Amino acid sequence: QVQLVESGGGVVQPGRSLRLSCAASGFTFSTYGMHWVRQAPGKGLEWVAVISYDGSNKYYADSVRGRFTISRDNSKNTLYLQMNSLRAEDTAVYYCAPTKGIITPGWYFDYWGQGTLVTVSS
Amino acid sequence: DIQMTQSPYSLSASVGDRVTITCRASQSISSYLNWYQQKPGKAPKLLIYAASSLQSGVPSRFSGSGSGTDFTLTISSLQPEDSATYYCQQSYSTGWTFGQGTKVEIK
Repeated sequence: QVQLVESGGGVVQPGRSLRLSCAASGFTFSTYGMHWVRQAPGKGLEWVAVISYDGSNKYYADSVRGRFTISRDNSKNTLYLQMNSLRAEDTAVYYCAPTKGIITPGWYFDYWGQGTLVTVSS
Repeated sequence: DIQMTQSPYSLSASVGDRVTITCRASQSISSYLNWYQQKPGKAPKLLIYAASSLQSGVPSRFSGSGSGTDFTLTISSLQPEDSATYYCQQSYSTGWTFGQGTKVEIK
């Protein structure tokens, strides 16, 4: 069955960096687009970034563009999110989720990881 | 980016009640609209995709409708386990924006 395990969260000071990982199994990782979605404490869901199956296309939310970088290693079935210049407003649970495509409309998040909490605080 | 607006922000209803949540997009998104249910401390769960298609394993009391800019999620007979927050999400364009959520409580 599909399994997504996020890791790398923790407490970090404003302006510092953190890298999140998402280990995937139970599906052919190298044929799926992969997303990061976050949720600040007590708030709603916010889409963060997506990467195509081969890493050739990447899109970011305005709130993180220029600070966050999404990447993947298909040999390790792992997705990454490099987060630089972190701000208090980046505090959230970060989820990874796959979709079969990313360019054409109509995809949905039918599998989610359990999330990893990032807290940005001095 | 496409903005998604849900209403109401919260509601309280009794077991057996019919509950309707609405979601409006800032521009036409055809039928590229998904609905999720989230319970505290858990990841979201897909309920409805493509506006009206029921995800496998989801009870038939959940249904979705709409196209263009206006959509609804209906729970035909509210059950205690339906207490949760519900989110709509557009998949028409990159940005994959979510609505702000509707919290459903049981009276």
